[in-house]
Amino acid sequence: EAGVAQSPRYKIIEKRQSVAFWCNPISGHATLYWYQQILGQGPKLLIQFQNNGVVDDSQLPKDRFSAERLKGVDSTLKIQPAKLEDSAVYLCASSGGPGELFFGEGSRLTVL
Amino acid sequence: SQQGEEDPQALSIQEGENATMNCSYKTSINNLQWYRQNSGRGLVHLILIRSNEREKHSGRLRVTLDTSKKSSSLLITASRAADTASYFCATDAGTGANNLFFGTGTRLTVIP
Repeated sequence: EAGVAQSPRYKIIEKRQSVAFWCNPISGHATLYWYQQILGQGPKLLIQFQNNGVVDDSQLPKDRFSAERLKGVDSTLKIQPAKLEDSAVYLCASSGGPGELFFGEGSRLTVL
Repeated sequence: SQQGEEDPQALSIQEGENATMNCSYKTSINNLQWYRQNSGRGLVHLILIRSNEREKHSGRLRVTLDTSKKSSSLLITASRAADTASYFCATDAGTGANNLFFGTGTRLTVIP
């Protein structure tokens, strides 16, 4: 069974530039999550989708972050404009029901 | 914040010794999960314990849950160098939405 796919693995941008991350969840998983993990900290939930609807985006900085999950499958997380403090690993996860989340390898963003 | 706190932040032991990590959380939960993260990788699910369970085993892992104290512990017995990783506890919000909130993590180093 293929795991959660994320791209790109690494991205370096200047502040005020924009960036987009892509995630393809495990086939059949209805729930998709984006987490932000700053170095040395635990993952922080940014947004949770159930199919193509948003379940929780209370911690998403909506002035600069946006996410969509068209057709209820893959998802894109965008940051525009990026700030220095957005440097982090962006983790995508999916689940097929209550319980275990399956994580991708993450996309590491460095903002200079 | 729902986020849990792990204790200790870092732990260094010799191979063959047992490692114990603790997690405290703030609100009611349906379940508590433990995840492992190798450096530069995504998180991998280890074990889930439901709110009505007090102890659970999986191979060399033993998890306990005390809902009255809002705390959990993860014991890894007979540790191996390959167990070197960061370990995170994660709790749901008790709403059934399966949105997980992660703690700050314990960095475990097992010395061969």
